[in-house]
Amino acid sequence: KQEVTQIPAALSVPEGENLVLNCSFTDSAIYNLQWFRQDPGKGLTSLLLIQSSQREQTSGRLNASLDKSSGRSTLYIAASQPGDSATYLCAVEYGNKLVFGAGTILRVKS
Amino acid sequence: DAGVIQSPRHEVTEMGQEVTLRCKLISGHNSLFWYRQTMMRGLELLIYFNNNVPIDDSGMPEDRFSAKMPNASFSTLKIQPSEPRDSAVYFCASVRGAGWDEQFFGPGTRLTVL
Repeated sequence: KQEVTQIPAALSVPEGENLVLNCSFTDSAIYNLQWFRQDPGKGLTSLLLIQSSQREQTSGRLNASLDKSSGRSTLYIAASQPGDSATYLCAVEYGNKLVFGAGTILRVKS
Repeated sequence: DAGVIQSPRHEVTEMGQEVTLRCKLISGHNSLFWYRQTMMRGLELLIYFNNNVPIDDSGMPEDRFSAKMPNASFSTLKIQPSEPRDSAVYFCASVRGAGWDEQFFGPGTRLTVL
């Protein structure tokens, strides 16, 4: 069964701190892995997409890594800001099917 | 580009009523995915279309749910008859290509069935 797990479920940090969100998946036969952000009551915003042949992607203060062999991905957020507060979802693509993790709820305190 | 457009944004209906959710893809995209999000089950794929053709509907929960894509840019998800356990946020996502490219999500429709 293809499962995606995100740890931690919730995280609260002071502004300015660097942080890491973790995602693990049971089936390593992936096409790609995508990190999303979801604000309360809103839709999903794509942050980073890593193809299965890539090791990492960077966008601004965000860096996502992928280790297919170990079934893991991390999302690194540098110098966190209160505006980063949201739920972060990891989704793994298996042949046109996205399997989502339950998400990590992040709160950055000012 | 207006992004993915979903309507209505909120729907409150009574058990047994028919509900129709609508989605308009981003121009130039040719794949569409319908998802459902609940607290208990998270985000689940319901059905996926490519070039107007349903490719995978294994996530559709039961026969009360049906989805159509009458043209290249528009899709409907219908629930008939609706039940309280259908209450959820329904998202559609638009993709350029066959599906393993970046998925762009609409704002969602929050459905409440009383």
